[in-house]
Amino acid sequence: IQLTQSPSSLSASIGDRVTITCRASQGISSSLVWYQQKPGKVPNLLIYAASTLQSGVPSRFSGSGSGTDFTLTISSLQPEDFATYYCQQLNAFPLTFGGGTKVELK
Amino acid sequence: EVQLLESGGGLVQPGGSLRLSCTISGFTFSNYAMSWVRQTAGQGLEWVSLLGTGDGDTFYADSVKGRFSISRDNSKNTLYLQMDTLRAEDTAVYFCARGRGRYKPESRTFDYWGHGTLVTVSS
Repeated sequence: IQLTQSPSSLSASIGDRVTITCRASQGISSSLVWYQQKPGKVPNLLIYAASTLQSGVPSRFSGSGSGTDFTLTISSLQPEDFATYYCQQLNAFPLTFGGGTKVELK
Repeated sequence: EVQLLESGGGLVQPGGSLRLSCTISGFTFSNYAMSWVRQTAGQGLEWVSLLGTGDGDTFYADSVKGRFSISRDNSKNTLYLQMDTLRAEDTAVYFCARGRGRYKPESRTFDYWGHGTLVTVSS
């Protein structure tokens, strides 16, 4: 199952609403998770089951979608949110990740 | 505190072998599925292999099937990745990652990651 993220990068300002999309090559129900990775750091689980916030993750992050189309939204971008975001499907092996979306400061 | 510590990376020639280890602490190792995920320099993430908590519960990416073997020693709280017939394209940082639980879908969602060990395949 291939995952296509868009955009591959974006520039945004503090306080902006940011939306990242992830499209699966076939239906995966809600079997999708989102990770955040900052430079030099390991990935951090943000959202699982497409829309459930992992414990400790700020509520400005949200996820939605099912089937083939998914979104990650940051409602008000904060300085610590500049990072690369990855989606991952867990519906079938091999597990696959999207190519990543790099969020940069405008 | 949950911790995962990888070791065993290094420089190896094409066709060579390496065994990676991931030693954990802070949770009951035998209750969780574990995976290896790799990342090439400046690039994205690639899942490599998953080992569940039951016998025969192993899965591999097509790119490593037949060359890599995942295993665990619950008595030592350690996960392994035996990598044989290494290729230049296997060069990456290898992370071990904990599944959120024992069963699907939790086992396939990674909630804790080690800091990685670098494998370089080059002559």
